[in-house]
Amino acid sequence: AQKVTQAQTEISVVEKEDVTLDCVYETRDTTYYLFWYKQPPSGELVFLIRRNSFDEQNEISGRYSWNFQKSTSSFNFTITASQVVDSAVYFCALSEGFSGTYKYIFGTGTRLKVLA
Amino acid sequence: DTAVSQTPKYLVTQMGNDKSIKCEQNLGHDTMYWYKQDSKKFLKIMFSYNNKELIINETVPNRFSPKSPDKAHLNLHINSLELGDSAVYFCASSQGSTTIINEKLFFGSGTQLSVL
Repeated sequence: AQKVTQAQTEISVVEKEDVTLDCVYETRDTTYYLFWYKQPPSGELVFLIRRNSFDEQNEISGRYSWNFQKSTSSFNFTITASQVVDSAVYFCALSEGFSGTYKYIFGTGTRLKVLA
Repeated sequence: DTAVSQTPKYLVTQMGNDKSIKCEQNLGHDTMYWYKQDSKKFLKIMFSYNNKELIINETVPNRFSPKSPDKAHLNLHINSLELGDSAVYFCASSQGSTTIINEKLFFGSGTQLSVL
């Protein structure tokens, strides 16, 4: 069963628009971690944020903000005033150990295109 | 210095050949991974090693054999390459063991494997 769902395959916005990338997860663990990674055109995945299951406080880092809601099993990512350099594929990931072995499960990614 | 480096960056080969991809990390991490990213950008874990010991083997064909001579290196050898093996292979590392689920992953830049 899909454990991390990123329903938006591709999003295109014009520079300076705000954009929200959705992430819905599924787990039976009570302790788990959620992550966002960015994969720019160069290919390397870069860590953006980590959030544990007990901390529902939203986080803001510059133009980036994350909204974690356990009630809806969602961990959405918003970019404010998008820039061309934000163009990338963004992956949401879940780290949990219900099966006995802890591992990352990545979503299928959302490709964001920011047009000048 | 690159934290996680993998070579080669591109690998083009014929079906049936055997090839290797090398990975080294200079972060002092205990755990290393191989991920496969297909043409639709789906990222799937293949293997993880903790201090040279195999921890996760995600039902990967036994044509794929990881080798970890020390905790800083995790190489991937692929026998009898098939067309379906064409993908981008990412090496990654994290601090701590795979029982610690909150660790972020540090990725290499990927190896684009094309099997003709």
